[in-house]
Amino acid sequence: QVQLVQSGAEVKKPGSSVKVSCEASGGTFTSYSFSWVRQAPGQGLEWMGRIVPVIGVTHYAQKFQDRVAITADTNTRTVYMELSSLRSEDTAVYYCAKGSSSGFGSPPDYWGQGTLVTVSS
Amino acid sequence: DIQLTQSPSFLSASVGDRVTITCRASQGISSYLAWYQQKPGKAPKLLIYAASTLQSGVPSRFSGSGSGTEFTLTISSLQPEDFATYYCQQLNSYPGTFGQGTKVEIK
Repeated sequence: QVQLVQSGAEVKKPGSSVKVSCEASGGTFTSYSFSWVRQAPGQGLEWMGRIVPVIGVTHYAQKFQDRVAITADTNTRTVYMELSSLRSEDTAVYYCAKGSSSGFGSPPDYWGQGTLVTVSS
Repeated sequence: DIQLTQSPSFLSASVGDRVTITCRASQGISSYLAWYQQKPGKAPKLLIYAASTLQSGVPSRFSGSGSGTEFTLTISSLQPEDFATYYCQQLNSYPGTFGQGTKVEIK
């Protein structure tokens, strides 16, 4: 049984950065991919990017290409998402999600609990 | 980017009703489509992947069909716990775009 536990809520100033962590327990960490998806208040789901930890390959949505970095630490089984140059529109719940395999076509089958990031002056 | 358009955006139905949600892709995505259910304050839950494969543990009243550009999610007999928002996601090419969601509410 895989469990993804994310770091706690954050309040950030515009222009700053936030780094959200996602620790995976259970399963074989290096067999999976991990995606980050965000959801603004009252809005739909938005795919941000993905990492395959075993090879360190990342893909990002073009919208976030210049501001996001997804990394993984295979020793601690933790995936990170760092978003910089924050603005009020980045206020959202950020989810990490584990792919059922390392392939992009495999959808996320386990999700973290979500981390609320609030950007406010 | 591939766009996904869900219809309807909002659906009012009664317990026991048969419900169908459609997801249309702006270009062909083979069968690389997943469906999720999300309840307020909770993370999405995977229901269907590869357009028609039921995720383990998901009730058999949920089914998916389609390929190419048109897909459907069907709930054969709506149960009280099914009232939620449903999203489709394409996994054919980056980025993994989602549909805008379909909210299913009690009539």
